[in-house]
Amino acid sequence: DAGVTQSPTHLIKTRGQHVTLRCSPISGHKSVSWYQQVLGQGPQFIFQYYEKEERGRGNFPDRFSARQFPNYSSELNVNALLLGDSALYLCASSSLPNQPQHFGDGTRLSIL
Amino acid sequence: AQSVAQPEDQVNVAEGNPLTVKCTYSVSGNPYLFWYVQYPNRGLQFLLKYITGDNLVKGSYGFEAEFNKSQTSFHLKKPSALVSDSALYFCAVSPPGEGNNRLAFGKGNQVVVIP
Repeated sequence: DAGVTQSPTHLIKTRGQHVTLRCSPISGHKSVSWYQQVLGQGPQFIFQYYEKEERGRGNFPDRFSARQFPNYSSELNVNALLLGDSALYLCASSSLPNQPQHFGDGTRLSIL
Repeated sequence: AQSVAQPEDQVNVAEGNPLTVKCTYSVSGNPYLFWYVQYPNRGLQFLLKYITGDNLVKGSYGFEAEFNKSQTSFHLKKPSALVSDSALYFCAVSPPGEGNNRLAFGKGNQVVVIP
């Protein structure tokens, strides 16, 4: 079975632009979470969605938004990009909200 | 709010020797605890979890972890380290019963296994 897939793998943007990152969960997994990993630090929780509803939100500004589609795939949107948004963005899926999460390889976002 | 501390930046160990990576946590109630490993330019791989039951948890690739409630610790161990175990290791905690699994990660420990 395919694992969690994320696209694109790498992305370069400039300040002020917006970006959309995509995630396909493991087949059968209905919960998707997003994390931001800045170089040298552990991942920071951004959002969790389960059955297309937001179940949790981390301490991120309103420039960050997400949604989950009927097929359980998910998008993370970031508006008005700042230099500090440069990071590895990780998507994780699980069968239920309280089950171990399986991570994709991430999208490396660089802001110039 | 839940948090995790991984006090050491890097752990160096000779191949074949025991490996220990330390983790302490702070959370209200009984925590869900996890260990993940990250290889360069990759996502995180799940190693093991503690939710309830036996304090010694066995996971993937020969790793195990011991939950100690009185010391609020969840140290990762492997009896005999391999060169291929060299990677970044993250401890994470999730509060129980919230209906979500927002993980709070430590800063990570770089493990270097010396041949």
